[in-house]
Amino acid sequence: DAGVIQSPRHEVTEMGQEVTLRCKPISGHNSLFWYRQTMMRGLELLIYFNNNVPIDDSGMPEDRFSAKMPNASFSTLKIQPSEPRDSAVYFCASSSGDRVSIDTQYFGPGTRLTVL
Amino acid sequence: AQSVTQLDSQVPVFEEAPVELRCNYSSSVSVYLFWYVQYPNQGLQLLLKYLSGSTLVKGINGFEAEFNKSQTSFHLRKPSVHISDTAEYFCAVSVWGGKLIFGQGTELSVKP
Repeated sequence: DAGVIQSPRHEVTEMGQEVTLRCKPISGHNSLFWYRQTMMRGLELLIYFNNNVPIDDSGMPEDRFSAKMPNASFSTLKIQPSEPRDSAVYFCASSSGDRVSIDTQYFGPGTRLTVL
Repeated sequence: AQSVTQLDSQVPVFEEAPVELRCNYSSSVSVYLFWYVQYPNQGLQLLLKYLSGSTLVKGINGFEAEFNKSQTSFHLRKPSVHISDTAEYFCAVSVWGGKLIFGQGTELSVKP
């Protein structure tokens, strides 16, 4: 299996620009998670989907962040407009069940975002 | 609400020595506990998890952890580490119906 695929791996952009991060979960997995990792705040869950439906978006920082999952094999996380404080590593993860609290999550390699 | 504390931010150790990475949690209800490992420039990978049953859990790469309810701890151990174990280790907690809450991570550095 190819694992969770994320693109791009690195993104450098200027403040105010729109950023789109992409994720392809493992085939057959029906839950998808977006996390953000920073030195200050550690690893935080931003949003998760089950069967393409957003279940919990309480971790999304503000309206500048949005996430979509148009089908079972693709999700995007968009930041518009981006700010320097959005600089972080963004991970996508997927799991094969709908028991979020106990199912093993499989993480992608992450996208390192730098906003200048 | 649940929380998890990893007591050491960095643990340096020599190759073939034993290691223990400490994790404490807080919760008013029953918990599930996890250890994930992040190798440099990679995503997280599950090492082991405790859901119920035996309090001693064995995972991949020779790691094990023991759930201690009275101490609210879930420490990770390995009797003999290798250079390849150099990575960041995350303890995480959840409750039924809830999401994973990760600790701040412990950086394990194995020196020759």
